Amino acid sequence: GNSVTQMEGPVTLSEEAFLTINCTYTATGYPSLFWYVQYPGEGLQLLLKATKADDKGSNKGFEATYRKETTSFHLEKGSVQVSDSAVYFCALCPGNTPLVFGKGTRLSVIA
Amino acid sequence: NAGVTQTPKFQVLKTGQSMTLQCAQDMNHNSMYWYRQDPGMGLRLIYYSASEGTTDKGEVPNGYNVSRLNKREFSLRLESAAPSQTSVYFCASRVETLMNTEAFFGQGTRLTVV
Repeated sequence: GNSVTQMEGPVTLSEEAFLTINCTYTATGYPSLFWYVQYPGEGLQLLLKATKADDKGSNKGFEATYRKETTSFHLEKGSVQVSDSAVYFCALCPGNTPLVFGKGTRLSVIA
Repeated sequence: NAGVTQTPKFQVLKTGQSMTLQCAQDMNHNSMYWYRQDPGMGLRLIYYSASEGTTDKGEVPNGYNVSRLNKREFSLRLESAAPSQTSVYFCASRVETLMNTEAFFGQGTRLTVV
């Protein structure tokens, strides 16, 4: 079946540190891939997406590249800020069906 | 620019009580979803509706019913609430016929069953 596995948190970083949150997936066909962010007390917001192999999604300094050969979509940011503290979800869409989400990774950035 | 609107934002129920969570979207999306979010479990799909007039079970449908009232509205009903249904509930919508489109989420309903 379709599934998403992302690294368990929580992840705690100092401001300006480099961030990587790993995400791997299992899916039939060629899914679209997404990263969502959830700030405290809010709903999920789309952070970035990629719809085919080798695509790079980017937004607000975050990037992720769709790697079909390793079935991965790792989230990276070169220099995190306190305001990036949130829960990050990796998700895939295998077709005309609901999105499948990972369990989320909580990031805390300390000044 | 409302997007997806959920009501209520917070609710406390006693075991055995019933309630309906409301969701409406103004983006003309064909598909709507109900998820629950629990610590360490991520988001789990309860029910979804691919189009007006259709509903399908997701991963955790037991104890819930849904109604797709029209294209805009998709409600979730708990007939007899249980403490295991304490959770944060999110409604989402999407253009499901396009694989590369994202889902848009409401702000969530935090439900506590005592």
